[in-house]
Amino acid sequence: EVQVVESGGGLIQRGGSLRLSCAASGFIVSSNYMSWVRQAPGKGLAWVSITYIDGTTYYADSVKGRFIISRDSSRNTLYLQLNSLRAEDTAVYYCAYTNIWPGRGTFDIWGQGTMVIVSS
Amino acid sequence: DIQMTQFPSSVSASVGDRVTITCRATETITYLAWYQQRPGKAPKLLISDTSNLQSGVPSRFSGSGSGTDFSLTISSLQPEDFATYYCQQAKSFPITFGQGTRLEIK
Repeated sequence: EVQVVESGGGLIQRGGSLRLSCAASGFIVSSNYMSWVRQAPGKGLAWVSITYIDGTTYYADSVKGRFIISRDSSRNTLYLQLNSLRAEDTAVYYCAYTNIWPGRGTFDIWGQGTMVIVSS
Repeated sequence: DIQMTQFPSSVSASVGDRVTITCRATETITYLAWYQQRPGKAPKLLISDTSNLQSGVPSRFSGSGSGTDFSLTISSLQPEDFATYYCQQAKSFPITFGQGTRLEIK
């Protein structure tokens, strides 16, 4: 069964750092496109970052320069390093198995999410 | 950035009703995806490529549209359909979602 399970969320002070993990099963992380999507409390979905099969990465402007997406093939795990955290980064962070083609793409498989709360 | 606007933002309907949710993009996109999110749960992909129903999704769901205007229709609402629905484009980065349409029981 294809699934992803996020972990690593928690309560962190403004300006702090946190690393989120997304353990995958049923597929190989490094052979697929993988994304992070977040959802602030009571708000809609917001794309955060994507890593391509070739290692190319893209970020939303709101996190560029502060967040880093990476993967570990030996652990079949996707990561999101969150640095210089702000109150507006408070959200549930979802990992998603992604399909991307020229001009289109979808988030096909989602984890249950991990909550990040940034306190001031 | 391509902005996605859904309307209505919320709708009340009864079991058995037909409901249509619209999504408008600020520029022409070729394909659109739709997601369903039940309270406290992760989103679930319902439709890809504007009208391609995902495996296991009931046939009462359908998607259509082109250019900048797209829609999701539920032909006969069932109790489990009451949720929030999001559209999403990936024509260009940043990938963007609509603000969501909350479908409530009347």
